[in-house]
Parts: sequence; structure tokens; C-alpha cells
Amino acid sequence: DAGVIQSPRHEVTEMGQEVTLRCKPISGHNSLFWYRQTMMRGLELLIYFNNNVPIDDSGMPEDRFSAKMPNASFSTLKIQPSEPRDSAVYFCASSFRTAMNTEAFFGQGTRLTVV
Amino acid sequence: AQSVTQLGSHVSVSEGALVLLRCNYSSSVPPYLFWYVQYPNQGLQLLLKYTTGATLVKGINGFEAEFKKSETSFHLTKPSAHMSDAAEYFCAVSEGIRDDKIIFGKGTRLHILP
Repeated sequence: DAGVIQSPRHEVTEMGQEVTLRCKPISGHNSLFWYRQTMMRGLELLIYFNNNVPIDDSGMPEDRFSAKMPNASFSTLKIQPSEPRDSAVYFCASSFRTAMNTEAFFGQGTRLTVV
Repeated sequence: AQSVTQLGSHVSVSEGALVLLRCNYSSSVPPYLFWYVQYPNQGLQLLLKYTTGATLVKGINGFEAEFKKSETSFHLTKPSAHMSDAAEYFCAVSEGIRDDKIIFGKGTRLHILP
């Protein structure tokens, strides 16, 4: 398996523009997580899905952020409009939940710069 | 809600010396605990995990961690540091069978001195 695939790897955009980050989880995994990593705040959980359903979006910073998972093999995180403080590395991770296992497998991340 | 505290945002050890990275957790149910490693410009990679059973858990690259319920700790150790161990290490907790959510600590950057 190719692992969790995120695109793009790098994104530079101007303030006010819409940004869409994409994620393809590992085939067969039933949970998907979006994290944001910054120097100041570390690794924050933004939202997670189980069986394509959003379970907890309490980490989404504001209404400018939205996430969807239309099917088991694809998810998007959208920021509209983007602001400089959204600059961070965004990670997608997936896992296959069993009674004994919930470890998450991470993608390589998308480094977002909003200027 | 679960939480993780990692003591020390930076730790420096000499090559060949013991590595000890500290992690304390909070969880309302028996936790699942994880250590991940992140190399520059890469995603996180699982080092080891504890779910149930033996409290001393061995992982990749010679690392191990011990779950101590009475101390709510899950410290990461390695007997002899190698230059290639220089990276950032994250402790994480989930509420196991109750919830998939995995919460991470703020990370500890490990520096290896020659």
C-alpha cells in the first residue's frame, strides 16, 4: 500500500483565497484525522471521521475551515478565506479501528503558506 | 477528555548515553498510548504503542516505554543514543475502545551530541 497520500505537498496562496487540501487514506481504514502542526501550538486535532461521518470537529478553529469525506477513499480540508495565521503543516492520518488497535498512519503533510 | 504532557521541549544527550523522554497522560478510561517520531519535513511514524497486557512495550530502533498506571506515565527510553535518533518525538493518547480520537503532546526535540 502507498500509505496515506496528501496533495499538494506545498501550497502558497494569497490572503483571502480559498485553499483545498486533499487526502487519500490507506485502503480499508475506517477512521480519518486532520491535524495542524505549528511551532506555537504543536499538533492539533482539527476533525476526525469514522466510516465517512464526522465524529468530532471541536478542533476546527473557525467557520472558515470545513472538511468533507464523500467516500472512504477521499477527504478534503478547505479554508475559505485563508489568512496568514493559517500557515502551518496540515497532516492527514488514517487508522483501522479494532478492539485492540487505533494507531494512526500519517501522510507526508501539506505545508501551507498564506501571504 | 484525554490530554498529554511532555516534559521538556528539548532534550540533549551524548551519543551512547541513555535517552529518557518523559510523558504523562490524563484519561477518564484505560488509555491506549503511543510514541511517534518525526524526522524533518516528514510525517509522523509510529515507534511503539501500548493497548493492554504487558506494561513494558518494545518498539522500533531499540526504543521502549513502560506504562505506569499509578504514575499516569509512559516514558520513552533507549539505552544508547545514536546520531540517527535526532528527531522530534511525540507522545499520544486515545481513549481506546471508547473513542478513536488521538491527542498528541507538544513534542520533545531530541538532540544527540557527538
